[in-house]
Amino acid sequence: AQSVSQHNHHVILSEAASLELGCNYSYGGTVNLFWYVQYPGQHLQLLLKYFSGDPLVKGIKGFEAEFIKSKFSFNLRKPSVQWSDTAEYFCAVNAPGRRALTFGSGTRLQVQP
Amino acid sequence: SQTIHQWPATLVQPVGSPLSLECTVEGTSNPNLYWYRQAAGRGLQLLFYSVGIGQISSEVPQNLSASRPQDRQFILSSKKLLLSDSGFYLCAGTGYTEAFFGQGTRLTVV
Repeated sequence: AQSVSQHNHHVILSEAASLELGCNYSYGGTVNLFWYVQYPGQHLQLLLKYFSGDPLVKGIKGFEAEFIKSKFSFNLRKPSVQWSDTAEYFCAVNAPGRRALTFGSGTRLQVQP
Repeated sequence: SQTIHQWPATLVQPVGSPLSLECTVEGTSNPNLYWYRQAAGRGLQLLFYSVGIGQISSEVPQNLSASRPQDRQFILSSKKLLLSDSGFYLCAGTGYTEAFFGQGTRLTVV
């Protein structure tokens, strides 16, 4: 079965610091990869996705993620975080032809002004 | 665009009472639909998913059940709620690309 691991459960950064959130998945075949964000009191929103092609994916709000197939990783990055980036971030995997969209346990990011 | 309507947003129910949470989908046909439970610090736990009418797969043994009577309708039910059923329940769907989500239901069993 596919699974997703997010090792950072709670990250605290100061504004302007750089961010990298880890995401590793276990599945041997082709995968679709996603990062979602949930701001306090709001719905989950898609940040970015990878289906195929360039492994460096640009998303909204200055976020990007790099798919490294050999490491089964899809880490989320942002060069300079803002207070408004305070939210919970979820990595998710969906293997084409399989039915379930599997989420990681989430990482709570707290950005201090 | 694809949207999910999920209701109610909050619900307080006594132990032993039945439960019915419903979500409906707009903007796509034949979606895969999911019920997740979100617990603080534990992310999104997949409870059920459905690939079509009447087709339900259960991921975790539960006091809950799910049904899909129509292509765009997905229902989460329980005959008798337990205290441990309290939580935040989220309906989601996947069409041809990324997933889309309902607003969620905060269930408190008292």
